[in-house]
Amino acid sequence: KAGVTQTPRYLIKTRGQQVTLSCSPISGHRSVSWYQQTPGQGLQFLFEYFSETQRNKGNFPGRFSGRQFSNSRSEMNVSTLELGDSALYLCASSWDSIAGELFFGEGSRLTVL
Amino acid sequence: GENVEQHPSTLSVQEGDSAVIKCTYSDSASNYFPWYKQELGKRPQLIIDIRSNVGEKKDQRIAVTLNKTAKHFSLHITETQPEDSAVYFCAASKTGNQFYFGTGTSLTVIP
Repeated sequence: KAGVTQTPRYLIKTRGQQVTLSCSPISGHRSVSWYQQTPGQGLQFLFEYFSETQRNKGNFPGRFSGRQFSNSRSEMNVSTLELGDSALYLCASSWDSIAGELFFGEGSRLTVL
Repeated sequence: GENVEQHPSTLSVQEGDSAVIKCTYSDSASNYFPWYKQELGKRPQLIIDIRSNVGEKKDQRIAVTLNKTAKHFSLHITETQPEDSAVYFCAASKTGNQFYFGTGTSLTVIP
């Protein structure tokens, strides 16, 4: 079956702009979580959605937001971009809300100039 | 919140030798500890995991041990092969799919 799909794969933005990233989970998976990956910081949790509800949120400013649709697809939005937001944003899906294997997408690489 | 520390950050071993990566966590409520392998330019993939009611788990050349009292867990890879070269991440979770990841170990297996 198809894996986790993220779009766009690469994008370049300038400071102050906003960006929306999309994630389509594996069919049947209802949990979608987002992580920011930067060199030296590893993967940092942004938020998790399950059945259209945000269940957990990481320690990121309010400029980072997300949502999940009824078909489990998810989007995350970053407003007022800063240089430090440059990173690989990984989406991961899981069957349910109990901690288990995460299936990652290939990520969206955001560069902020 | 939870804090996961991972050591070493880089590790080089000769092919056929063993590799050990260690992680510590701070929140005693954490109960699920997966390990992910990320090859260059690719997505992280789960290689092994352990829950807090188990002390050790093995899958062929890979094993994970957990010491709840000391709050640390380790990944052991035996008979390393060049294809084991990658970045390895440990993680901890106590609720849902909110994971705290270590900063990664870059493993190089020298043929």
